[in-house]
Order: sequence, then C-alpha cells, then structure tokens
Amino acid sequence: AQSVTQLDSQVPVFEEAPVELRCNYSSSVSVYLFWYVQYPNQGLQLLLKYLSGSTLVESINGFEAEFNKSQTSFHLRKPSVHISDTAEYFCAVSEYSGNTPLVFGKGTRLSVIA
Amino acid sequence: NAGVMQNPRHLVRRRGQEARLRCSPMKGHSHVYWYRQLPEEGLKFMVYLQKENIIDESGMPKERFSAEFPKEGPSILRIQQVVRGDSAAYFCASSPTGWGTDTQYFGPGTRLTVL
Repeated sequence: AQSVTQLDSQVPVFEEAPVELRCNYSSSVSVYLFWYVQYPNQGLQLLLKYLSGSTLVESINGFEAEFNKSQTSFHLRKPSVHISDTAEYFCAVSEYSGNTPLVFGKGTRLSVIA
Repeated sequence: NAGVMQNPRHLVRRRGQEARLRCSPMKGHSHVYWYRQLPEEGLKFMVYLQKENIIDESGMPKERFSAEFPKEGPSILRIQQVVRGDSAAYFCASSPTGWGTDTQYFGPGTRLTVL
C-alpha cells in the first residue's frame, strides 16, 4: 500500500517570492507521481505528473517538481508566485500496475500575500 | 469537449434520508472513480468502476453506500440512511483507460450536507 505525506498544511508566502511545497511518499512498488491543484469550490486540476524519464517535470504556469527516488520525494516549486496561485495543492501517487486509484496527501494550502 | 459533470453541486439531506450523486464522465472515458473529501483532509478513494462493472470498491464503507455505472447514463453514488458523518465533498474522476499513467479528470464535486 502507498501513502503520501505533505509536511506543511499551510504555506503563506509573499507575492513574487519563491515557494516549495513538500511531498514524500511511501510505497513497496514503483509509482507514478502527480500534483493536483484545487481552487476554492472547484474540482481538482492536474498540475504536472512524473511517469518516467527526466526527473524534473514542469507545468505550463511556471511550477516544477523533481522526483527524488532515494529520498522518496516529489517536491513542488515555483520561483516567483502570483496572487492567482492561491489554492490547495495535493500530491498523489498511483502504482505502476494498471487499474489502481490515486492515493492523495492531505493537501497544502498556499496563500499568496500581496 | 465537456469535462466531467457532477450533479447536484450541493445537496442537503436530513439524517435517515437517501442521497444520490451523479457523475457523467468525459466523452470517450469509460473509467470512473469516486473520492470523498472530508474537511481538512485529502481525497480518499471510494470506488472504481468501468461500464457495468465495479473494479475496486476497497474504499467504500461496507454499509449504506453503493455505486453503479450502467451501460447508458451517468455513474451514481448512492448513500442510504445518511448520517452527519457523511457530510463531505464527493468528487468523481474519469480516465480513458484506467492505467496508472492516465490523467484522472475531476468533476467540480457534490457537497453533501446532512442536517
């Protein structure tokens, strides 16, 4: 069974400052890794995912995440945040084998302060 | 191409009533997942269905909860005799093949309040 730990439940940060949202996972098998974002009263949207290949993956809106197998981490970073990045961010994993559901962390609430 | 549709968006029920939550997957998607989000918690998997089949219901409470995905029409999550602890946001997601590499596309959720 897999588990996901998001170490910070809330992260306040000033606009244009960098941010890192931490995610660690535990699994006895190889996994795929995902970051989803949830804006208030909306569903989740995929931000980025790691399947294989380069350990650094990027999203279209400036976020990036790096898969570190030895540390079982998949931290999300952005060099300069905007007010519009205020949202809840969820890290998730799924097993390599097919037909498995996503296992989510508890989420990190990012609040960007003007 | 419409996204995942869920209705109703908000549902209020009194204890003991039944709640029916509907999910229409994206066009071309035949795999549906239901998740529950309790306050201050992440999403917890409940059930995974393919057309007319339940593939994995390991996250579903043993009593009062059921799910179906008929050949025609939306997937339905049914909660009988609701209790206050059932109050949560219920999200449906769909994917084209069900493989771990697939992106799951989420609906806007149904927020159930049990009075």
